Amino acid sequence: AQKVTQAQTEISVVEKEDVTLDCVYETRDTTYYLFWYKQPPSGELVFLIRRNSFDEQNEISGRYSWNFQKSTSSFNFTITASQVVDSAVYFCALRIQNRDDKIIFGKGTRLHILP
Amino acid sequence: DSGVTQTPKHLITATGQRVTLRCSPRSGDLSVYWYQQSLDQGLQFLIQYYNGEERAKGNILERFSAQQFPDLHSELNLSSLELGDSALYFCASSVDWSVSDTQYFGPGTRLTVL
Repeated sequence: AQKVTQAQTEISVVEKEDVTLDCVYETRDTTYYLFWYKQPPSGELVFLIRRNSFDEQNEISGRYSWNFQKSTSSFNFTITASQVVDSAVYFCALRIQNRDDKIIFGKGTRLHILP
Repeated sequence: DSGVTQTPKHLITATGQRVTLRCSPRSGDLSVYWYQQSLDQGLQFLIQYYNGEERAKGNILERFSAQQFPDLHSELNLSSLELGDSALYFCASSVDWSVSDTQYFGPGTRLTVL
């Protein structure tokens, strides 16, 4: 069975602190894709990153970075020098190349950045 | 702005009623996906259409149906509504049907069933 676990339901940090959001996934398939989405208070889902299972390179985009480790089935997301605008719910998602083609979302982590 | 549009933004209706949610994908995208987001179930995939044909089905109830029209816009029909159907319904689109495609989400339709 496929599953995405975001164990941190809610996190609060003070502005300018670094914060890491954890994502652990389960699948027996070898070809899959991992995603992170941001859902700000306005409600829309904003795409942040896609990573395929054959590319374990870490990625950095401005203050955002992602650490993909197949050995621990984790795809963690770090925000450096957090800002109030980073306050949102963040979802990790998994999509596997099989008949279903569906995307499986974690329950999300609600991040509060305190001024 | 993802380029995916959804109407209406809000919908309030009563139990037993039927509603239609509409989605227009990004220009050039052939796949449309529907999701339901509720507090207890989280984000649940409902159904995917690719170029007018049903491609994948998720946890979609029999009271719900969808279709994608020749102009690629899609509609999600919810009938015999129950209180538990109150949720945020998202549409997403992607270029193709491939698993590697990134899905871009619309702003959602908030459905309240009273």
